[in-house]
Amino acid sequence: GAVVSQHPSRVICKSGTSVKIECRSLDFQATTMFWYRQFPKQSLMLMATSNEGSKATYEQGVEKDKFLINHASLTLSTLTVTSAHPEDSSFYICSAKALAYEQYFGPGTRLTVT
Amino acid sequence: GNSVTQMEGPVTLSEEAFLTINCTYTATGYPSLFWYVQYPGEGLQLLLKATKADDKGSNKGFEATYRKETTSFHLEKGSVQVSDSAVYFCALYPYNQGGKLIFGQGTELSVKP
Repeated sequence: GAVVSQHPSRVICKSGTSVKIECRSLDFQATTMFWYRQFPKQSLMLMATSNEGSKATYEQGVEKDKFLINHASLTLSTLTVTSAHPEDSSFYICSAKALAYEQYFGPGTRLTVT
Repeated sequence: GNSVTQMEGPVTLSEEAFLTINCTYTATGYPSLFWYVQYPGEGLQLLLKATKADDKGSNKGFEATYRKETTSFHLEKGSVQVSDSAVYFCALYPYNQGGKLIFGQGTELSVKP
């Protein structure tokens, strides 16, 4: 149980285009999902907290107009990287909060912007 | 504030060696503590957890004890395998942060045959 999926697992896009990443909780409902970014050999950096039916809460320094988050249902949150540039290339990971304190992580999405 | 500090990696061990990865934390109140493991190119998997002082979390031969007096949650395994090679993250969940986990910087473990 408690499986979180992400799609796509890898994506390559051209500079200036937008990319959407989906995060789904497959066997539980998640009112809260989190989006992280991870640079090589570094820890996870929390980008935003996504709450179903309301606006996402962004961490300081994260551009909300660049990283659009939508949490339209209890099992799906999406992250759209708008007008992507090479510096947006990274590993993006989502997690979904199940019980009071447990989070389950997706397998990650490797974004490469050329 | 809340923070987690892990020993720096990479840690390189021979198969069947004893493993310790140190983790200390700073937090107000009584946080829950976690160890996550990340295999190359993958997301994080919950390895074990402890929710109160003196709790011992264990899974797949790994264990860690929540020590409030030393604010520590060190990860140990008696005999590592090559398949344990991964990055290990210590994390805490403070009660008043809206569900946000606080991660350590991660410790890379490499086990050689």
